[in-house]
Amino acid sequence: QKEVEQNSGPLSVPEGAIASLNCTYSDRGSQSFFWYRQYSGKSPELIMSIYSNGDKEDGRFTAQLNKASQYVSLLIRDSQPSDSATYLCAVPMDSSYKLIFGSGTRLLVRP
Amino acid sequence: DARVTQTPRHKVTEMGQEVTMRCQPILGHNTVFWYRQTMMQGLELLAYFRNRAPLDDSGMPKDRFSAEMPDATLATLKIQPSEPRDSAVYFCASGPDGYQPQHFGDGTRLSIL
Repeated sequence: QKEVEQNSGPLSVPEGAIASLNCTYSDRGSQSFFWYRQYSGKSPELIMSIYSNGDKEDGRFTAQLNKASQYVSLLIRDSQPSDSATYLCAVPMDSSYKLIFGSGTRLLVRP
Repeated sequence: DARVTQTPRHKVTEMGQEVTMRCQPILGHNTVFWYRQTMMQGLELLAYFRNRAPLDDSGMPKDRFSAEMPDATLATLKIQPSEPRDSAVYFCASGPDGYQPQHFGDGTRLSIL
């Protein structure tokens, strides 16, 4: 059973702080990794894709991938209350187009 | 911005009725996915298509659920007969070929009374 694991949270950080969200996956052959943000009552929205080891930055978001340790993380700098949402990690399964989603980490940014 | 379009956005019906949900994928995307989301189970993949061919529907209860893609611009998910435990949000997502991310529609919020 291929798995994607996330801490369900909630992760509570003060406004302006760095929020760090982590995800581990079991399929050592996975090649692509995605972070989705889901506001309550809304659909998942893609915010980051990462395909190679290291860091990828996009505005206040940085995705970090370590294939040897099988984890991918998402850092949100200068967190804002509007970042409060559930963040879903997604990894393709068995070299197919099927994405396995983690259960999500709920982030709460306190004003 | 190109979007995945789902209809209806909300559906309330009585147990035993047929429910049909529709999805228009993003033009040019050739993979289409149906998900169900509940508080207890999170996002579950029900079925997916590539180039309109069903590749995997192992996540669907076969006796009551069916998924089809009659043409490249329309995917459907049907439940017949519906049951209260089918109450959930159903999302359609589409993606380009290869290991590219999927983009989600706004979902259909289904309530079976």
